[in-house]
Amino acid sequence: DAKTTQPTSMDCAEGRAANLPCNHSTISGNEYVYWYRQIHSQGPQYIIHGLKNNETNEMASLIITEDRKSSTLILPHATLRDTAVYYCIVRVPYSGGSYIPTFGRGTSLIVHP
Amino acid sequence: ETGVTQSPTHLIKTRGQQVTLRCSSQSGHNTVSWYQQALGQGPQFIFQYYREEENGRGNFPPRFSGLQFPNYSSELNVNALELDDSALYLCASSPGTSGSSYNEQFFGPGTRLTVL
Repeated sequence: DAKTTQPTSMDCAEGRAANLPCNHSTISGNEYVYWYRQIHSQGPQYIIHGLKNNETNEMASLIITEDRKSSTLILPHATLRDTAVYYCIVRVPYSGGSYIPTFGRGTSLIVHP
Repeated sequence: ETGVTQSPTHLIKTRGQQVTLRCSSQSGHNTVSWYQQALGQGPQFIFQYYREEENGRGNFPPRFSGLQFPNYSSELNVNALELDDSALYLCASSPGTSGSSYNEQFFGPGTRLTVL
């Protein structure tokens, strides 16, 4: 049962903003949205997370719609090193009280010169 | 501050064998999670350990088991290896204060397991 839907691939010109969408229409009120990225042959790297409000850090901005059914990760000035697979994750409640992070296939972002 | 480390980097086993993968968590992190990532797929959650107890498990059979030690390092054991177990196995640690929250995870580089 997929919790998030992302485009398979996107491309962006170097120096331009990369906007990566994620659909999480079944998200519940207490679930956070997390974004990670995975550069080839490395482990995933945390980018940002949010609940309701828009968030910004040194890496990216996260825009969450008012109904929380979708979000957009924004890399304001993409560089070639931002080429990676980007995962949008929603915490899935586990019966034991913990949360199971569910990764989909992610979006393969290619930044070109 | 040392990041998450995993050993070995690569491993080749044959079907039916058993394998143990190891992970050293980042300093100060008491929660460790293991993931399996098949080629072209996203990481799939196997289980999570908090203070030496398993406190979350994904849809993996019992032949996937684990341990967390008092220093919060961890092992993933897989018995009766199958061809489909060939994958990148990722370990991630986090500074979970209660074990029941999902905090930012720090991933290791992974162990590439090939089952022949």
